[in-house]
Amino acid sequence: NAGVMQNPRHLVRRRGQEARLRCSPMKGHSHVYWYRQLPEEGLKFMVYLQKENIIDESGMPKERFSAEFPKEGPSILRIQQVVRGDSAAYFCASSRDSATNEKLFFGSGTQLSVL
Amino acid sequence: AQRVTQPEKLLSVFKGAPVELKCNYSYSGSPELFWYVQYSRQRLQLLLRHISRESIKGFTADLNKGETSFHLKKPFAQEEDSAMYYCALSGGSGTYKYIFGTGTRLKVLA
Repeated sequence: NAGVMQNPRHLVRRRGQEARLRCSPMKGHSHVYWYRQLPEEGLKFMVYLQKENIIDESGMPKERFSAEFPKEGPSILRIQQVVRGDSAAYFCASSRDSATNEKLFFGSGTQLSVL
Repeated sequence: AQRVTQPEKLLSVFKGAPVELKCNYSYSGSPELFWYVQYSRQRLQLLLRHISRESIKGFTADLNKGETSFHLKKPFAQEEDSAMYYCALSGGSGTYKYIFGTGTRLKVLA
């Protein structure tokens, strides 16, 4: 089991472009969580998804950000019209069940740099 | 407000010395507390959680509700302990909204 896979590891975008971050959960895991780590800050919850459903997106900015976890394929975090303030490390985590007492398995993260 | 505070960005100790990584939290309910570790070029991984009351790699952490602290301790540091350590809390059973501290980088010197 390769663990949670995120790609790309590094993504550079110019202001106004779109950024797509991918996350493949661990085999057998159907719950995906996205976290963002801004410079000098801790990881902050963005969104929780199960297959084809957004369960909680309360941590996601209301505009320009969207997430999906289709029936087939990885979870995608999409940022439209990126701005410099979007520069951050974006981490994905997965769990087999809802993380009530499940530990989260994290990916290596995607470092987004907006020029 | 819910918050996790790790006051030290960097902690350097000599091999064999005791280690204490500080973590204080602010939460109105009964949180679960965790320590996550990220070794160089590796993923963030769970080190220990307070409900397990276990010792992992010689590390222990006791939840002190009076002081709202969950400090991570190890009596004798080893070079392989050098890593980034994050304290985190979740709002107890049924929540996935982990709140992380900003992390402390531990450097164990030979």
